[in-house]
Amino acid sequence: NAGVMQNPRHLVRRRGQEARLRCSPMKGHSHVYWYRQLPEEGLKFMVYLQKENIIDESGMPKERFSAEFPKEGPSILRIQQVVRGDSAAYFCASSDRDSPQYFGPGTRLTVL
Amino acid sequence: GENVEQHPSTLSVQEGDSAVIKCTYSDSASNYFPWYKQELGKRPQLIIDIRSNVGEKKDQRIAVTLNKTAKHFSLHITETQPEDSAVYFCAASSLSGNTPLVFGKGTRLSVIA
Repeated sequence: NAGVMQNPRHLVRRRGQEARLRCSPMKGHSHVYWYRQLPEEGLKFMVYLQKENIIDESGMPKERFSAEFPKEGPSILRIQQVVRGDSAAYFCASSDRDSPQYFGPGTRLTVL
Repeated sequence: GENVEQHPSTLSVQEGDSAVIKCTYSDSASNYFPWYKQELGKRPQLIIDIRSNVGEKKDQRIAVTLNKTAKHFSLHITETQPEDSAVYFCAASSLSGNTPLVFGKGTRLSVIA
């Protein structure tokens, strides 16, 4: 039973480019959460999605950031026009209804 | 919204000693409290969790206690080993409705051989 998958594991972008991060939840899980972790800090919630629906995006910046979880395929977190402050580790987690959240290995984004 | 405070931020113990990490939460609606262990460059890994209908849960050398009245919960690691060295995060949420986790800032545990 494969765990939560994320790709790419490392992503380097120049300022102004777009970053696209992918997350495939654990088999049988229909809830996906995205968290951001800055160096030496805790995890901060960004967005919570179920298939084809954004449930809670209260932690996601209003501009440049978007997320989706289509009926088919992985969840995608998109960051447009990246800036140096977007450099961080982005983790997704998945769960089933009323089950714990399990994390993927993360995508480490570096903005040059 | 929920706010989770975690102490201490760093903790050093001798191998074989016990380690205790404490967290407080603010939202009385929170009813689910997981603990994650994160090694350098790795994913947060769930090590134990507790729901508000119990006061204590144990899994081998790891135990978690919950005091709903005082809104605090603690992680206890006994007979620590060097491989326990990592950053530990507590979190709180309402499991009903799958609300997002609110994390503490983490405790860096070093077990000295």
